[in-house]
Amino acid sequence: NAGVTQTPKFQVLKTGQSMTLQCAQDMNHEYMSWYRQDPGMGLRLIHYSVGAGITDQGEVPNGYNVSRSTTEDFPLRLLSAAPSQTSVYFCASSPGGGLSPLHFGNGTRLTVT
Amino acid sequence: AQSVTQLGSHVSVSEGALVLLRCNYSSSVPPYLFWYVQYPNQGLQLLLKYTSAATLVKGINGFEAEFKKSETSFHLTKPSAHMSDAAEYFCAVRESGGSNYKLTFGKGTLLTVNP
Repeated sequence: NAGVTQTPKFQVLKTGQSMTLQCAQDMNHEYMSWYRQDPGMGLRLIHYSVGAGITDQGEVPNGYNVSRSTTEDFPLRLLSAAPSQTSVYFCASSPGGGLSPLHFGNGTRLTVT
Repeated sequence: AQSVTQLGSHVSVSEGALVLLRCNYSSSVPPYLFWYVQYPNQGLQLLLKYTSAATLVKGINGFEAEFKKSETSFHLTKPSAHMSDAAEYFCAVRESGGSNYKLTFGKGTLLTVNP
Protein backbone atom coordinates (compact mmCIF):
# COMPACT_ATOMS: atom_id res chain seq x y z
CA ASN A 1 0.00 0.00 0.00
CA ALA A 2 1.82 3.09 -1.25
CA GLY A 3 -0.55 5.66 0.32
CA VAL A 4 -0.03 9.17 -1.10
CA THR A 5 2.77 9.48 -3.64
CA GLN A 6 4.20 12.83 -4.74
CA THR A 7 6.61 13.43 -7.58
CA PRO A 8 9.13 14.92 -8.00
CA LYS A 9 10.80 15.21 -4.58
CA PHE A 10 12.85 18.23 -5.63
CA GLN A 11 12.49 20.76 -8.45
CA VAL A 12 14.24 23.95 -9.46
CA LEU A 13 12.48 26.31 -11.86
CA LYS A 14 13.30 29.62 -13.42
CA THR A 15 10.86 32.50 -13.06
CA GLY A 16 8.11 32.22 -15.67
CA GLN A 17 8.44 28.49 -16.26
CA SER A 18 5.48 26.19 -15.76
CA MET A 19 5.34 22.73 -14.26
CA THR A 20 3.03 20.15 -12.74
CA LEU A 21 3.44 18.55 -9.34
CA GLN A 22 2.01 15.05 -9.36
CA CYS A 23 -0.03 13.45 -6.57
CA ALA A 24 -1.57 9.99 -6.55
CA GLN A 25 -3.28 7.98 -3.84
CA ASP A 26 -4.26 4.32 -3.86
CA MET A 27 -6.68 4.35 -0.91
CA ASN A 28 -9.82 5.32 -2.86
CA HIS A 29 -10.09 8.54 -0.84
CA GLU A 30 -12.70 10.99 -2.05
CA TYR A 31 -11.03 14.09 -0.59
CA MET A 32 -7.65 15.36 -1.83
CA SER A 33 -5.88 18.61 -1.12
CA TRP A 34 -2.70 20.58 -1.70
CA TYR A 35 -0.87 22.60 0.96
CA ARG A 36 2.23 24.72 0.91
CA GLN A 37 4.52 24.90 3.92
CA ASP A 38 6.65 27.97 4.58
CA PRO A 39 8.75 28.72 7.69
CA GLY A 40 6.65 30.28 10.43
CA MET A 41 3.46 30.03 8.36
CA GLY A 42 2.40 26.46 9.02
CA LEU A 43 0.50 24.71 6.24
CA ARG A 44 -1.75 26.76 4.02
CA LEU A 45 -4.42 25.20 1.82
CA ILE A 46 -4.04 25.90 -1.91
CA HIS A 47 -6.79 23.85 -3.58
CA TYR A 48 -8.91 20.87 -2.67
CA SER A 49 -11.27 18.34 -4.23
CA VAL A 50 -14.15 16.36 -2.76
CA GLY A 51 -14.38 13.96 -5.70
CA ALA A 52 -13.62 13.44 -9.36
CA GLY A 53 -14.63 16.49 -11.37
CA ILE A 54 -15.02 18.73 -8.30
CA THR A 55 -12.38 21.22 -7.19
CA ASP A 56 -12.39 24.37 -5.09
CA GLN A 57 -10.01 27.06 -3.91
CA GLY A 58 -8.36 27.15 -0.54
CA GLU A 59 -6.62 29.95 1.30
CA VAL A 60 -3.83 30.71 -1.22
CA PRO A 61 -4.96 29.63 -4.73
CA ASN A 62 -3.43 32.38 -6.89
CA GLY A 63 -0.90 31.14 -9.41
CA TYR A 64 -2.00 27.51 -9.15
CA ASN A 65 -4.46 25.32 -11.05
CA VAL A 66 -5.79 21.86 -10.28
CA SER A 67 -7.99 19.25 -11.89
CA ARG A 68 -9.44 15.93 -10.70
CA SER A 69 -10.24 13.66 -13.61
CA THR A 70 -9.89 10.46 -11.57
CA THR A 71 -10.29 9.53 -7.90
CA GLU A 72 -6.60 8.63 -7.68
CA ASP A 73 -4.85 11.67 -9.16
CA PHE A 74 -4.79 15.34 -8.20
CA PRO A 75 -2.04 17.28 -10.04
CA LEU A 76 -1.09 20.83 -9.11
CA ARG A 77 -0.05 23.13 -11.94
CA LEU A 78 2.11 26.22 -11.61
CA LEU A 79 1.24 28.39 -14.60
CA SER A 80 4.13 30.88 -14.48
CA ALA A 81 6.46 30.25 -11.57
CA ALA A 82 7.46 33.14 -9.31
CA PRO A 83 10.08 33.27 -6.52
CA SER A 84 7.20 33.66 -4.02
CA GLN A 85 6.18 30.11 -4.91
CA THR A 86 9.41 28.71 -3.50
CA SER A 87 8.07 26.35 -0.83
CA VAL A 88 7.51 22.76 0.19
CA TYR A 89 4.29 21.37 -1.25
CA PHE A 90 2.28 18.59 0.36
CA CYS A 91 -0.54 16.57 -1.08
CA ALA A 92 -2.94 14.98 1.38
CA SER A 93 -6.06 12.82 1.15
CA SER A 94 -8.79 11.49 3.41
CA PRO A 95 -11.76 9.16 2.98
CA GLY A 96 -14.13 11.94 4.04
CA GLY A 97 -14.67 14.78 6.48
CA GLY A 98 -15.49 14.73 10.17
CA LEU A 99 -13.02 12.60 12.12
CA SER A 100 -11.22 11.27 9.04
CA PRO A 101 -7.55 12.24 9.35
CA LEU A 102 -5.50 13.48 6.41
CA HIS A 103 -2.86 11.16 4.96
CA PHE A 104 0.15 13.09 3.68
CA GLY A 105 2.68 12.52 0.96
CA ASN A 106 6.37 13.17 1.60
CA GLY A 107 6.35 16.54 -0.11
CA THR A 108 7.95 18.30 -3.06
CA ARG A 109 10.58 20.94 -2.38
CA LEU A 110 10.32 23.62 -5.08
CA THR A 111 12.80 26.43 -5.63
CA VAL A 112 12.06 29.22 -8.11
CA THR A 113 15.05 31.37 -9.09
CA ALA B 1 -13.90 30.41 9.40
CA GLN B 2 -12.17 28.18 11.88
CA SER B 3 -8.74 29.14 13.09
CA VAL B 4 -6.25 27.59 15.46
CA THR B 5 -3.50 29.26 17.47
CA GLN B 6 -0.40 27.52 18.72
CA LEU B 7 1.34 29.46 21.46
CA GLY B 8 5.10 29.28 21.16
CA SER B 9 6.79 28.64 17.84
CA HIS B 10 9.68 26.92 19.62
CA VAL B 11 9.69 24.89 22.82
CA SER B 12 12.88 23.48 24.31
CA VAL B 13 12.89 20.82 27.05
CA SER B 14 15.41 18.51 28.65
CA GLU B 15 15.23 14.78 28.10
CA GLY B 16 12.89 13.31 30.72
CA ALA B 17 11.04 16.58 31.30
CA LEU B 18 7.37 17.27 30.74
CA VAL B 19 6.35 18.35 27.24
CA LEU B 20 3.47 20.84 26.93
CA LEU B 21 2.49 22.22 23.53
CA ARG B 22 -0.43 24.64 23.48
CA CYS B 23 -3.32 24.86 21.02
CA ASN B 24 -6.42 27.05 21.13
CA TYR B 25 -9.25 27.05 18.59
CA SER B 26 -11.72 29.79 17.73
CA SER B 27 -15.24 28.46 17.65
CA SER B 28 -18.26 28.40 19.93
CA VAL B 29 -19.11 24.96 18.55
CA PRO B 30 -16.36 22.42 19.27
CA PRO B 31 -14.75 21.40 15.99
CA TYR B 32 -12.91 18.23 15.12
CA LEU B 33 -9.39 18.54 16.52
CA PHE B 34 -6.16 16.84 15.52
CA TRP B 35 -2.46 16.87 16.39
CA TYR B 36 0.13 16.00 13.75
CA VAL B 37 3.89 15.53 13.98
CA GLN B 38 6.46 16.24 11.28
CA TYR B 39 9.94 14.78 11.51
CA PRO B 40 12.70 16.44 9.45
CA ASN B 41 12.26 16.08 5.69
CA GLN B 42 9.08 14.05 6.04
CA GLY B 43 5.35 14.51 5.64
CA LEU B 44 2.95 14.91 8.54
CA GLN B 45 1.79 11.96 10.64
CA LEU B 46 -1.31 11.83 12.80
CA LEU B 47 -0.56 11.79 16.54
CA LEU B 48 -4.12 11.82 17.86
CA LYS B 49 -7.60 13.20 17.31
CA TYR B 50 -10.42 14.35 19.56
CA THR B 51 -13.49 12.16 19.18
CA SER B 52 -15.77 13.60 21.94
CA ALA B 53 -15.87 10.16 23.60
CA ALA B 54 -13.50 11.44 26.30
CA THR B 55 -11.85 14.75 27.03
CA LEU B 56 -8.43 13.09 27.48
CA VAL B 57 -7.20 11.55 24.25
CA LYS B 58 -4.24 9.19 24.06
CA GLY B 59 -2.11 9.08 20.94
CA ILE B 60 1.00 7.40 19.66
CA ASN B 61 4.47 7.61 21.23
CA GLY B 62 3.10 8.40 24.72
CA PHE B 63 1.47 11.70 23.77
CA GLU B 64 -1.95 12.74 24.98
CA ALA B 65 -4.15 15.81 24.66
CA GLU B 66 -6.91 17.20 26.83
CA PHE B 67 -9.95 18.92 25.36
CA LYS B 68 -11.23 21.81 27.49
CA LYS B 69 -14.36 23.40 26.04
CA SER B 70 -14.41 26.24 28.57
CA GLU B 71 -10.91 27.27 27.50
CA THR B 72 -11.33 26.33 23.79
CA SER B 73 -8.05 24.47 24.14
CA PHE B 74 -6.57 21.14 23.07
CA HIS B 75 -3.06 21.13 24.56
CA LEU B 76 -0.64 18.27 23.82
CA THR B 77 1.42 16.72 26.61
CA LYS B 78 3.93 13.97 27.23
CA PRO B 79 5.13 13.21 30.77
CA SER B 80 8.75 12.47 29.84
CA ALA B 81 10.45 13.76 26.70
CA HIS B 82 12.69 11.52 24.65
CA MET B 83 15.33 12.62 22.17
CA SER B 84 13.27 11.04 19.38
CA ASP B 85 10.40 13.45 20.11
CA ALA B 86 12.32 16.32 18.51
CA ALA B 87 10.10 17.39 15.63
CA GLU B 88 7.56 20.02 14.61
CA TYR B 89 4.04 19.63 15.95
CA PHE B 90 0.89 20.99 14.34
CA CYS B 91 -2.57 21.42 15.77
CA ALA B 92 -5.37 21.26 13.19
CA VAL B 93 -9.11 21.89 13.17
CA ARG B 94 -12.00 20.91 10.94
CA GLU B 95 -15.43 22.50 11.28
CA SER B 96 -18.05 20.21 12.72
CA GLY B 97 -21.31 19.41 10.97
CA GLY B 98 -22.28 19.07 7.34
CA SER B 99 -19.85 17.85 4.76
CA ASN B 100 -16.80 19.76 5.94
CA TYR B 101 -13.53 18.41 4.65
CA LYS B 102 -11.03 21.23 4.92
CA LEU B 103 -8.42 20.98 7.65
CA THR B 104 -6.92 24.23 8.95
CA PHE B 105 -3.48 24.05 10.57
CA GLY B 106 -1.79 26.15 13.18
CA LYS B 107 1.65 27.60 12.47
CA GLY B 108 3.41 24.80 14.28
CA THR B 109 5.64 24.41 17.33
CA LEU B 110 9.19 23.15 16.95
CA LEU B 111 10.13 20.91 19.87
CA THR B 112 13.80 20.63 20.77
CA VAL B 113 14.89 18.00 23.30
CA ASN B 114 18.21 18.59 25.04
CA PRO B 115 20.30 15.74 26.47
